Amino acid sequence: GENVEQHPSTLSVQEGDSAVIKCTYSDSASNYFPWYKQELGKRPQLIIDIRSNVGEKKDQRIAVTLNKTAKHFSLHITETQPEDSAVYFCAASKWGGKLIFGQGTELSVKP
Amino acid sequence: EAQVTQNPRYLITVTGKKLTVTCSQNMNHEYMSWYRQDPGLGLRQIYYSMNVEVTDKGDVPEGYKVSRKEKRNFPLILESPSPNQTSLYFCASRDTGGSYEQYFGPGTRLTVT
Repeated sequence: GENVEQHPSTLSVQEGDSAVIKCTYSDSASNYFPWYKQELGKRPQLIIDIRSNVGEKKDQRIAVTLNKTAKHFSLHITETQPEDSAVYFCAASKWGGKLIFGQGTELSVKP
Repeated sequence: EAQVTQNPRYLITVTGKKLTVTCSQNMNHEYMSWYRQDPGLGLRQIYYSMNVEVTDKGDVPEGYKVSRKEKRNFPLILESPSPNQTSLYFCASRDTGGSYEQYFGPGTRLTVT
């Protein structure tokens, strides 16, 4: 069935470094790929998303890239800050319907 | 303020005692959905609704029921809860227009003993 694999499960970086989280999806019909940030005890919140007609999207320090041929997409965070520490989830969807989530990446940014 | 609300936020109950978790949104969204979150598994969809009186199963519907009698409300019903339904539950909604963004409620942490 539909599946999204996310790596790594944990990631520790020094403040100011970059962080990259990668996801692979199985359903080639997926056309919407959001990334959510979830702080401890809080709800998931959308930080950036991309649709399949675009290869890259950037919003300040956050960027997402999509390779449709390889069926993978990545989140890039530059100049990381301690407040970026959280669990990040990728997801895939067809036309904004059911979100198939990855397993999550716990990002720790050390001051 | 545009929001999705859930109640209760925390619930401890016993096996077999029927319970309902409410979800309400004030954004006039057609699409509503329930997810459960378990460690190492991410979030998985339980049920969803495209509009009033239209509901369908997600990936893990066993042991759950839903109803959509009004556009703003989408309650999740556990008729006979079991310990494997101990989880963190999120309701979400989105408009069926151009934006695909789903807005999540604050979550309900359920423990079934």
